[in-house]
Amino acid sequence: GQNIDQPTEMTATEGAIVQINCTYQTSGFNGLFWYQQHAGEAPTFLSYNVLDGLEEKGRFSSFLSRSKGYSYLLLKELQMKDSASYLCAVKSSIKAAGNKLTFGGGTRVLVKP
Amino acid sequence: EPEVTQTPSHQVTQMGQEVILRCVPISNHLYFYWYRQILGQKVEFLVSFYNNEISEKSEIFDDQFSVERPDGSNFTLKIRSTKLEDSAMYFCASRPGRPGSNQPQHFGDGTRLSIL
Repeated sequence: GQNIDQPTEMTATEGAIVQINCTYQTSGFNGLFWYQQHAGEAPTFLSYNVLDGLEEKGRFSSFLSRSKGYSYLLLKELQMKDSASYLCAVKSSIKAAGNKLTFGGGTRVLVKP
Repeated sequence: EPEVTQTPSHQVTQMGQEVILRCVPISNHLYFYWYRQILGQKVEFLVSFYNNEISEKSEIFDDQFSVERPDGSNFTLKIRSTKLEDSAMYFCASRPGRPGSNQPQHFGDGTRLSIL
C-alpha cells in the first residue's frame, strides 16, 4: 500500500523558518517531490530528492532519508506569499513508463506578520 | 515559460451526462497524466499516458473514464456517465524525458467539475 503522512497545518511568523516533515511507506520509490499549492490553484514544483541528503534551492531546502522513509521541506525567511499548502509526493510505479506521483494530504502553512 | 493549459476552467454538468476535459501539455513533453482533487482532500492519481497508450491507471479510473490524444497537441479525459462523486478539480500534468528521469511533472491550472 501507499501511505504518506504530513502535518495538517502549521503557523509561523514572517521572517522565520518552518520545517515541514513527511514520512512515507510506499511499495516503490523513485524519488520524492515537494510541491506548493495555493488555494484553488495548480501544484507548482519546488524540489526533488532521490538520494539521501539535502538539496538547497534559494529559500527552500529539502532533505531525504530513504532508510527512514523521511523527508522534510525547510522554508527560510518566510514571506506572506509563502502561505499555501505544501504537498509531499512520492514517485513510484510498477511500470517503468508510469512514474505516477502519490501525494500526501498536504500541510497548510499560515504565515503571520 | 511554457505551461500546461486546461479548458474549461469550470464545467457544470448534469449527473449521467458525458463530459470531456481538455488539456494541452507542454509541446516537447512525452508523458501525460490526469489527477483529481476532491475539495479539501489530497491529489489523487488517475492515469498516465505515454507513446499513445495508457501506462498505468488507478482504481478510480474505471470503465467510465477514458483518455485520448486525438492529435499532436491535445490530451483529453472523458467521463462517460458522470456521478455526483465525480465532482472535483481535475489536473492535467506533463513531463519530458525518459522513464525514471528526475524531471518534475508540470501541472495545469485544473478544471473544476461540478456534477448536479
